[in-house]
Amino acid sequence: AQSVAQPEDQVNVAEGNPLTVKCTYSVSGNPYLFWYVQYPNRGLQFLLKYITGDNLVKGSYGFEAEFNKSQTSFHLKKPSALVSDSALYFCAVRDWAGGYQKVTFGTGTKLQVIP
Amino acid sequence: NAGVTQTPKFQVLKTGQSMTLQCAQDMNHEYMSWYRQDPGMGLRLIHYSVGAGITDQGEVPNGYNVSRSTTEDFPLRLLSAAPSQTSVYFCASRVRREETQYFGPGTRLLVL
Repeated sequence: AQSVAQPEDQVNVAEGNPLTVKCTYSVSGNPYLFWYVQYPNRGLQFLLKYITGDNLVKGSYGFEAEFNKSQTSFHLKKPSALVSDSALYFCAVRDWAGGYQKVTFGTGTKLQVIP
Repeated sequence: NAGVTQTPKFQVLKTGQSMTLQCAQDMNHEYMSWYRQDPGMGLRLIHYSVGAGITDQGEVPNGYNVSRSTTEDFPLRLLSAAPSQTSVYFCASRVRREETQYFGPGTRLLVL
């Protein structure tokens, strides 16, 4: 069975500092990996995805994520945090062979950027 | 292009009542899904559809029904609401050959 873990319920970072939101996964085959962001009272918005290729994936709003197969991780990063980045971030995974319905979401990490 | 729309935004039900959560998309996406979001549990898939006339169960289907008579609409029905169904419900859609899902703004449901 596939799974995804976001070990931190909340991450606090000062504005202008680099941020990292952690995600580790478990799948039986090759993974599709995603990051979504949810602002208050809104639906999830796609940030970026890893399917294959370069391990460093660049996405929306200056975010990037690094796929590390040996550590089964897909951490979300940004070089300089903005107050407007404060939101709930979800990591998701799907096994290539899992089919449409087999997308598993993490429990979410609340990012708080402090002015 | 409105994307994925959901109605209502908020609903209060009494135990045993029925209701339908509406979801519509104007992007001609083949795939549509319903998720529920509960604190500390992430998103869990309720039902999904890969095209008009085709639906299937997700991870937590009990107490919910769906149908897909058109590509655009994917309503979720609660036949007899229970307090355990208090949650935030999200509808999502995507193109068959793409992995990126587009989410609606959500419906917040409270069952008393």
